[in-house]
Amino acid sequence: AQKITQTQPGMFVQEKEAVTLDCTYDTSDQSYGLFWYKQPSSGEMIFLIYQGSYDEQNATEGRYSLNFQKARKSANLVISASQLGDSAMYFCAMREPHGSSNTGKLIFGQGTTLQVKP
Amino acid sequence: DAGVIQSPRHEVTEMGQEVTLRCKPISGHDYLFWYRQTMMRGLELLIYFNNNVPIDDSGMPEDRFSAKMPNASFSTLKIQPSEPRDSAVYFCASREDGKISSGANVLTFGAGSRLTVL
Repeated sequence: AQKITQTQPGMFVQEKEAVTLDCTYDTSDQSYGLFWYKQPSSGEMIFLIYQGSYDEQNATEGRYSLNFQKARKSANLVISASQLGDSAMYFCAMREPHGSSNTGKLIFGQGTTLQVKP
Repeated sequence: DAGVIQSPRHEVTEMGQEVTLRCKPISGHDYLFWYRQTMMRGLELLIYFNNNVPIDDSGMPEDRFSAKMPNASFSTLKIQPSEPRDSAVYFCASREDGKISSGANVLTFGAGSRLTVL
């Protein structure tokens, strides 16, 4: 069965520094998608970044980048130049493939709480 | 587009009462998902629909839970009778159809419905 693991329940980072949030996944499928979502204290789920399993380049979106290491089955999120507004819970997720069709079944990790210190 | 719209945002009810949560997906999105978030279990997929048809309801906890999607722009999640352990935030999310390798398969979440069962 597919599985997503986030081993860091909580992380601290100093404002303006970079931080890496870890995510490992387990799947026997060759085609899959990896996602990161941010959930601030207000509760909404905000999409940050996406990486397809066949993408050769690491995904980047502004200050967010995804360090994709396929052989190690890891998809770590890197936030550069942390800001106070980055304080939130971060979820890694994997799109579960289903044969040759696309079901969009997204499996989430347990999340990592990030606190940015001024 | 106004995004995925959920109502009510907050619901407080007493054990045994019927609860109905509502969702309007983004226009043109073919997939609709219902997730539940609790501290203990994280984000769990309850059920999802494709073109208004339920595809996978294996995450629905028990017969007290039911979900419908009568048309492309509306879905309900009903709990009858409700119990205190159903207290959680319930998210609705939608996405377009697209290959798993495509960034078009990003899930957009609603703001969530926070349910408290006393």
